[in-house]
Amino acid sequence: AQSVTQLGSHVSVSEGALVLLRCNYSSSVPPYLFWYVQYPNQGLQLLLKYTSAATLVKGINGFEAEFKKSETSFHLTKPSAHMSDAAEYFCVIYNQGGKLIFGQGTELSVKP
Amino acid sequence: DTEVTQTPKHLVMGMTNKKSLKCEQHMGHRAMYWYKQKAKKPPELMFVYSYEKLSINESVPSRFSPECPNSSLLNLHLHALQPEDSALYLCASSRSPTRGNTEAFFGQGTRLTVV
Repeated sequence: AQSVTQLGSHVSVSEGALVLLRCNYSSSVPPYLFWYVQYPNQGLQLLLKYTSAATLVKGINGFEAEFKKSETSFHLTKPSAHMSDAAEYFCVIYNQGGKLIFGQGTELSVKP
Repeated sequence: DTEVTQTPKHLVMGMTNKKSLKCEQHMGHRAMYWYKQKAKKPPELMFVYSYEKLSINESVPSRFSPECPNSSLLNLHLHALQPEDSALYLCASSRSPTRGNTEAFFGQGTRLTVV
């Protein structure tokens, strides 16, 4: 069975600092992985997805993630945080049964 | 058009009421989903429709009744809900239910309050 684990339920950074949100996955088959963002009282928006085409995936709003099979990780990064990046971030893995399996989420706060 | 539209955005209903949530997409997607999300938690899958047929029911209580009238519409009928059913209800769609490399598009959700 596939699963994802997000390390850290809350991350706080200063504006302009590096954003690093950690996600580790477990899968017996090559995984399909996604990062979604959710702003308060809104739906989820896809930031980026990994589908085995390239290990470094670039997404929207300056985010990117690197798939590392040896570390079973898919961490999300952004070089310079902006106030508008404050939101909840979910790492998601596609389950072979046709479901999306969500991590517990990481709340990102950005300090001025 | 890459939108999933949900109506209403907010709904307050009594425990004896009957109401429906609606979801619409015009992307030609053949998989549609209902999720329930409580505060500070990830979305929980409720139902999956694949080619307009119910393919996954995550043991959801019968007071929630999904319906997929056609490939663009998804409804969730609500009856005799409990206060603990108050949550954000999210609809999503994807091109195919069986291809993991296709992402899901989410609507903005319906904030449901049961009083």
